[in-house]
Amino acid sequence: EPEVTQTPSHQVTQMGQEVILRCVPISNHLYFYWYRQILGQKVEFLVSFYNNEISEKSEIFDDQFSVERPDGSNFTLKIRSTKLEDSAMYFCASSERGTGYTEAFFGQGTRLTVV
Amino acid sequence: DAKTTQPNSMESNEEEPVHLPCNHSTISGTDYIHWYRQLPSQGPEYVIHGLTSNVNNRMASLAIAEDRKSSTLILHRATLRDAAVYYCILRDVSGNQFYFGTGTSLTVIP
Repeated sequence: EPEVTQTPSHQVTQMGQEVILRCVPISNHLYFYWYRQILGQKVEFLVSFYNNEISEKSEIFDDQFSVERPDGSNFTLKIRSTKLEDSAMYFCASSERGTGYTEAFFGQGTRLTVV
Repeated sequence: DAKTTQPNSMESNEEEPVHLPCNHSTISGTDYIHWYRQLPSQGPEYVIHGLTSNVNNRMASLAIAEDRKSSTLILHRATLRDAAVYYCILRDVSGNQFYFGTGTSLTVIP
């Protein structure tokens, strides 16, 4: 069964450093998403991406964050200068279409720890 | 996205059916009802979705009230592997992202 894969599974970084989280969406999917989940809290939407453009973003997704689809398979989330409060699980998701009747598939997540 | 209300937690005995309720009194005519679950230390996983009619798949059944203001996810025989947080989410037909609430934490008792 096709799946969304994320690397690395765990990343530890020092405050102020840049990190790139990587995702390989399901191959025929066109819509891509990043979510985050701070420990013990709910899953929060960050950004959605379609046709090489951001289609929607939340207020969490400020200038420190960026997304990119550098080639035909990868989808990345970059945090320019990490803060302690960026420590969280980051989930990538993809869906075939960006409509309400389409399900999304999530990866297993990258646990980001900022020290 | 319209708001959903779910109980914070529920318990079920293993091999018994589980009915997980969700209220969505402000649902609009173009909102689809989605259910996802999140097992411990894993990403959210799609369970089922529907618009008006009841739906069945290999994982669960979704019962939608006639006025669509509530729905129930039915797990026919709970197993220990079904212990998870279950999220009821509304998505407009043109909607893009999902907004997760706090969900229902299901405990399955052996």
